[in-house]
Amino acid sequence: GAVVSQHPSRVICKSGTSVKIECRSLDFQATTMFWYRQFPKKSLMLMATSNEGSKATYEQGVEKDKFLINHASLTLSTLTVTSAHPEDSSFYICSARDVQGASEQFFGPGTRLTVL
Amino acid sequence: ILNVEQSPQSLHVQEGDSTNFTCSFPSSNFYALHWYRWETAKSPEALFVMTLNGDEKKKGRISATLNTKEGYSYLYIKGSQPEDSATYLCAFIRYLTDKLIFGTGTRLQVFP
Repeated sequence: GAVVSQHPSRVICKSGTSVKIECRSLDFQATTMFWYRQFPKKSLMLMATSNEGSKATYEQGVEKDKFLINHASLTLSTLTVTSAHPEDSSFYICSARDVQGASEQFFGPGTRLTVL
Repeated sequence: ILNVEQSPQSLHVQEGDSTNFTCSFPSSNFYALHWYRWETAKSPEALFVMTLNGDEKKKGRISATLNTKEGYSYLYIKGSQPEDSATYLCAFIRYLTDKLIFGTGTRLQVFP
């Protein structure tokens, strides 16, 4: 149980295009989903927290207009990297939590974004 | 800035060896400490959620201890097997937040 999928697993795009990454909880309902980013040899860094039906809460230094998050249902959250540039190339990974207040998070396998 | 540090960064051991690594975290405002196992191209898999000082948890050959007063947790693997090869991540949660603050991980390779 507690499986989270992420799509696509890998994407290469041209500078200036927008890229959408989907995160789905397959066998549970996720009231809260989290988006992380990992630079090479660095730790996973939280970008934003999204609660179903409300606006995402972004961490300091993360541009909300650059990284659009939508959590329209209890099983799906999307991250859209708008007008991507090479510096946005990174590994993006989502996690989901199924019970309000529980600390355990279940992770997707991540998306490797390369912007040319 | 909250720092979570893991050591060593990487570890190579022979099959059958036992090994351990460390996670250091802020000792104030502690809420929980998570351990994850992350194999390449897969999702991080939750190993343990630890909340109480002195906690010791075990899953098969893997166990973990927690010292919240001094801010560290140890992960032990007894009789390492090649399938234990993975990156082991710890993540700290501060009291009154729900955010995981990750260390950079310990990359373990077990050679047959």
